[in-house]
Amino acid sequence: EAGVAQSPRYKIIEKRQSVAFWCNPISGHATLYWYQQILGQGPKLLIQFQNNGVVDDSQLPKDRFSAERLKGVDSTLKIQPAKLEDSAVYLCASSLGVYDRGAGETQYFGPGTRLLVL
Amino acid sequence: QKEVEQNSGPLSVPEGAIASLNCTYSDRGSQSFFWYRQYSGKSPELIMFIYSNGDKEDGRFTAQLNKASQYVSLLIRDSQPSDSATYLCAVNLLNDYKLSFGAGTTVTVRA
Repeated sequence: EAGVAQSPRYKIIEKRQSVAFWCNPISGHATLYWYQQILGQGPKLLIQFQNNGVVDDSQLPKDRFSAERLKGVDSTLKIQPAKLEDSAVYLCASSLGVYDRGAGETQYFGPGTRLLVL
Repeated sequence: QKEVEQNSGPLSVPEGAIASLNCTYSDRGSQSFFWYRQYSGKSPELIMFIYSNGDKEDGRFTAQLNKASQYVSLLIRDSQPSDSATYLCAVNLLNDYKLSFGAGTTVTVRA
């Protein structure tokens, strides 16, 4: 079974530029998550999709971040304009999205995109 | 108060010893508890999950859950150098699949 795919793996941009990240979840996984992980910290949830609907985007800085999941499969996360503090690893994860204590909620992570904003 | 707290470490143990990692959480409604391992420069990978009080064993790993004390731990028996990584505790808070992660505990196993 293929895992979660993300691209690009690395990105270096200057502040005020825009950037986009792509994620393809595990086949059949209804729930997709985008996390931001700053060095030395745990992943912080930015947005959660169930199929193509947003479940939780309470921690997404909506003035500069946007995300979509068209057709309930692939997703893109965009930052525009980027700030220095956006330098982090952006992780995409997916889960089955059905309630099954532990198993259904288990999230599987992609390799991440390392973003450096100069 | 942070939702999920872990000892930041680093935790250094000799090869063959038991590494003990601790995690506390603030929401008594928490349902499921996960341990992820993250090697430097890599993404988190699931070690195991637990949702009932008591112990759950998987190979050299044992997760322990005490909901009354709002405490979950991970024991790594017969620690190997390949176990050197950051271990993330994650908690399902709202029964809607959302996980809250701790900051992680870095473990170094000395050969």
